[in-house]
Amino acid sequence: DTGVSQDPRHKITKRGQNVTFRCDPISEHNRLYWYRQTLGQGPEFLTYFQNEAQLEKSRLLSDRFSAERPKGSFSTLEIQRTEQGDSAMYLCASSHTMQGGGYGYTFGSGTRLTVV
Amino acid sequence: AQSVTQLDSHVSVSEGTPVLLRCNYSSSYSPSLFWYVQHPNKGLQLLLKYTSAATLVKGINGFEAEFKKSETSFHLTKPSAHMSDAAEYFCVVIARDAGNMLTFGGGTRLMVKP
Repeated sequence: DTGVSQDPRHKITKRGQNVTFRCDPISEHNRLYWYRQTLGQGPEFLTYFQNEAQLEKSRLLSDRFSAERPKGSFSTLEIQRTEQGDSAMYLCASSHTMQGGGYGYTFGSGTRLTVV
Repeated sequence: AQSVTQLDSHVSVSEGTPVLLRCNYSSSYSPSLFWYVQHPNKGLQLLLKYTSAATLVKGINGFEAEFKKSETSFHLTKPSAHMSDAAEYFCVVIARDAGNMLTFGGGTRLMVKP
């Protein structure tokens, strides 16, 4: 597989429930990014990993959000006690530090979360 | 801090006519800029990038963009629109001092009429 895979594609959950999303990056990519895209807006940066280290977190990432990348491979994004405002498309992307940023980004198709 | 502003949220053109999607940027240093396209239910795809080489950048599917420092602009153009160009387009600036984080504009929805 040469792309970035995200699972699930769609998730509907009730307010207050916890949800977890998974991202499988391109295998040789050492950087992994999470972005959030709400309806009618451009994606916003949430956090990124270089290998297994989480190096940057946006102020958008409240205490209810946690991301991990054990062993520097796949990553998970968990949202606890979901709120309606969490409804969005969650995008994952990967790149390699030896490639030019942006040019080397590959985005997944996203996980669309709906909180009811 | 860096930011991009897309001046039109919606653009409608007829098939075969030129496309112009406008983007202004703000950056404290020489920026790297990109245009991405997002088709419904598809991932973001890179159209083209500017990284301080030639100011006129050619991308995929006949798109090109011109970096104008004096106008802080990076407008996307295409001579002749095709129905398959209908999509959401994002102008993006990269923060090379912050892990290559991307900052997206609000997007421009391009509609192409037959």
